[in-house]
Amino acid sequence: GIQVEQSPPDLILQEGANSTLRCNFSDSVNNLQWFHQNPWGQLINLFYIPSGTKQNGRLSATTVATERYSLLYISSSQTTDSGVYFCAVEAGTASKLTFGTGTRLQVTL
Amino acid sequence: GAGVSQSPRYKVAKRGQDVALRCDPISGHVSLFWYQQALGQGPEFLTYFQNEAQLDKSGLPSDRFFAERPEGSVSTLKIQRTQQEDSAVYLCASSLGPTAYEQYFGPGTRLTVT
Repeated sequence: GIQVEQSPPDLILQEGANSTLRCNFSDSVNNLQWFHQNPWGQLINLFYIPSGTKQNGRLSATTVATERYSLLYISSSQTTDSGVYFCAVEAGTASKLTFGTGTRLQVTL
Repeated sequence: GAGVSQSPRYKVAKRGQDVALRCDPISGHVSLFWYQQALGQGPEFLTYFQNEAQLDKSGLPSDRFFAERPEGSVSTLKIQRTQQEDSAVYLCASSLGPTAYEQYFGPGTRLTVT
């Protein structure tokens, strides 16, 4: 099956800093989503981005499908950005999402 | 509108008991998915429904796990004779269409088997 790897695994930022999270995948995909899992466990949809670039407030994402990677940019980080960020992909004829290994982000004051 | 809802939010079961977990998808969503998330890991796929048809159950870990969606809306995940290794968060997701559509997740049911 498809492999999804995320980097870095852990990240500590001071409030106000910027960061880039990376997601590499091993095969072509039909769907790619970025999620934020908050400390209460809820998976929050950030972006549906199988290709191209999108922006939503302080967050933006870029997927380069031909090179099999996606990037999530967080600018001016806030403590509420803390949690785990997952990239998830859908490949081939399977409708299921395969999740990456996650990046655990901690934003400190 | 309302998102995906799941109940109960927390369930404690003694080993050997049967449990039933409920998922109410977003109204009108054709596809429904169940995932299992162990502590410190990412969610892993269990099973997929398109309307009432269970099209993929390749992720169910054993024949003790059973899922249904009889009328194409609400779904139930049943685990028979629970074991300690079944302790996890069970997440339900729904999407508007069968493939390449955005999936929306419920809050999950945290199952603890003692």
